[in-house]
Amino acid sequence: QVQLKESGPGPVQPSETLSLTCTVSGFSLTSYGVNWVRQPPGKGLEWMGRMRYNGDTSYNSALKSRLSISRDTSKNQVFLKMNSLQTDDTGTYYCTREGHTVRGTFDYWGQGVMVTVSS
Amino acid sequence: DIQMTQSPASLSASLGETVTIECRASEDIYNGLAWYQQKPGKSPQLLIYNANSLHTGVPSRFSGSGSGTQYSLKINSLQSEDVASYFCQQYYNYPLTFGSGTKLEIK
Repeated sequence: QVQLKESGPGPVQPSETLSLTCTVSGFSLTSYGVNWVRQPPGKGLEWMGRMRYNGDTSYNSALKSRLSISRDTSKNQVFLKMNSLQTDDTGTYYCTREGHTVRGTFDYWGQGVMVTVSS
Repeated sequence: DIQMTQSPASLSASLGETVTIECRASEDIYNGLAWYQQKPGKSPQLLIYNANSLHTGVPSRFSGSGSGTQYSLKINSLQSEDVASYFCQQYYNYPLTFGSGTKLEIK
């Protein structure tokens, strides 16, 4: 079955770089896109960016200068790197599978990984 | 960026009631609208796409409607398992944007 699982470092200090990994199973990264969505504690959802099935990437302009998304199809993994972290980057980070017939929707979500930015 | 304004922010209703959540886009999104349900402590789940198409496995008491800039999610015969936050999301244009959410509770 389709699964996505985020992994990451736990607490991060301000100004450091965040590195997250999304490991997928049950589908191919060359057939489906994977997006990253984050959620500050008790707040709403923010789309961060995506890795398309063909290897193209696109980013939220609000984060573009700090964000990089890449993948390793042989390992079924998608990576997120974001630099210059601040306390308002604290939240749960989700990787999601993009819908195949309806691009831009998210039909499967990972369980999320909590990232705390604190000194 | 397309702004999504969702209302109400919170909602309390009795079991068996019908509730409606509204979402307004800052410009026409041509039915590029999805709804998600997020139960406490869980990841969001897709409910509806294309404004009115039910995702696989979603109970038929959920329905979506609307066009242009105005959309709504209706839940008929409210059940205890519907306690959750609900978010709209537009995918007509990038960056993809979400509404601020509606927290639904049972009276």
